[in-house]
Amino acid sequence: QKEVEQDPGPLSVPEGAIVSLNCTYSNSAFQYFMWYRQYSRKGPELLMYTYSSGNKEDGRFTAQVDKSSKYISLFIRDSQPSDSATYLCAMGSGGGADGLTFGKGTHLIIQP
Amino acid sequence: DAGITQSPRHKVTETGTPVTLRCHQTENHRYMYWYRQDPGHGLRLIHYSYGVKDTDKGEVSDGYSVSRSKTEDFLLTLESATSSQTSVYFCAISENSPNTEAFFGQGTRLTVV
Repeated sequence: QKEVEQDPGPLSVPEGAIVSLNCTYSNSAFQYFMWYRQYSRKGPELLMYTYSSGNKEDGRFTAQVDKSSKYISLFIRDSQPSDSATYLCAMGSGGGADGLTFGKGTHLIIQP
Repeated sequence: DAGITQSPRHKVTETGTPVTLRCHQTENHRYMYWYRQDPGHGLRLIHYSYGVKDTDKGEVSDGYSVSRSKTEDFLLTLESATSSQTSVYFCAISENSPNTEAFFGQGTRLTVV
């Protein structure tokens, strides 16, 4: 059964803080893990893409995957007010063509 | 931004009428998807396509049909719109492998009254 759990928030932090966003999942077939950022009334924008377990860093963003725990995280360093958005985790098995399974999103607010 | 254009961007329609949403891509990607996004449910897959004339159902396909006659165009049709189909609809594309990184359009906000 495909299921991804994500705390909807809102998560409110002061500017400059380190933000930690997380998702858990139950389907061990997932191999591809993504984080999307979605501003109000806009389409999701791909932020990070990782395959299997491990860490990936891109600027202020770090994605972490722990397949043994079925747990993924997105860390944002030196958070800015422009980071205020909804963050969606997404996962795929790589088999078939049946799209991604998404978390419901975490609403993040960075206070100036 | 990935070259994805959704049309219309906004539409209000009456219950019982057919509605067609269009997704056009300029990336020549093989895979195309239609999702709907609703509060409390997140993004859910309606239908997907893995090539011209090759389509299949997703998680919430009842009441929807799709067609893909060209690589660049993927159409979503609500055969007889209902209020439960009021939603924001997103088209997405991915290049080489399914269920991997996908890029989204800006969405179509549909209201069924």
